[in-house]
Amino acid sequence: GENVEQHPSTLSVQEGDSAVIKCTYSDSASNYFPWYKQELGKRPQLIIDIRSNVGEKKDQRIAVTLNKTAKHFSLHITETQPEDSAVYFCADDAGGTSYGKLTFGQGTILTVHP
Amino acid sequence: EAGVAQSPRYKIIEKRQSVAFWCNPISGHATLYWYQQILGQGPKLLIQFQNNGVVDDSQLPKDRFSAERLKGVDSTLKIQPAKLEDSAVYLCASSLGFGQETQYFGPGTRLLVL
Repeated sequence: GENVEQHPSTLSVQEGDSAVIKCTYSDSASNYFPWYKQELGKRPQLIIDIRSNVGEKKDQRIAVTLNKTAKHFSLHITETQPEDSAVYFCADDAGGTSYGKLTFGQGTILTVHP
Repeated sequence: EAGVAQSPRYKIIEKRQSVAFWCNPISGHATLYWYQQILGQGPKLLIQFQNNGVVDDSQLPKDRFSAERLKGVDSTLKIQPAKLEDSAVYLCASSLGFGQETQYFGPGTRLLVL
C-alpha cells in the first residue's frame, strides 16, 4: 500500500480488559492485511491476517475486522493478559505488481497491567 | 523447523565506513525481504527477492545500499558509506512462495553509526 496510519501509539489496559487498535490505509488496491506482534528486542511475528473478501476473522482472543469502504481495519484483543504486552504493527499489501510488499503502520505499544 | 538466521546481531561503526549483513532464510523459502526498522517505527521494506531475482527495490537507497541473493538462498545487504541516519535494526524475512503469505522474520541486526 501507499500509507498506513495506526492509532493509538500507546495503549494501557488492565488485565482482563479488551484492547482495540485501528489502522487506516490509503491504497484502494490493498487486499491483504496482516497484524504482527513484536516483543521488546525480539522479531515481529504474525498473529492474525485478513483478506479483502471477508469482513472479520477470529482466532481465540484475537479478532480482526475490515471495512473496505472506509479503508480501515482493527485488531481486537479480549481478556488481555500481561503477556500480550508488546508492540503491535498493522500492515497492508496492495497485491498486483506489489505482491508481498508490506507497508507497516507506526506501531502501538500495548501495556497490560496485572 | 529452523527460523531465519541473521548475523551479526549487533554492529557499531563510524560514519563513512562500510558494513555488511548476512541472512539465511528458512529452507525452501523462495522469497526474501530486507527491512529497515528505525527506533519507534514500523519496518520499511528495502528490497524483495524472489529466488535470486529482485522483485522490488524501490525504497532501497541505491547510492549507498546494495543487496544480493546469490543462488537464491542466502543474502547479503551492504551499506557503503554509512551515514548517521542508517542507525536502525535491519530485519530479514522470508516467505514460502511469492505473494500474500506469512513473512517469517529473523532476529535482526542492530546497527549503530557514530
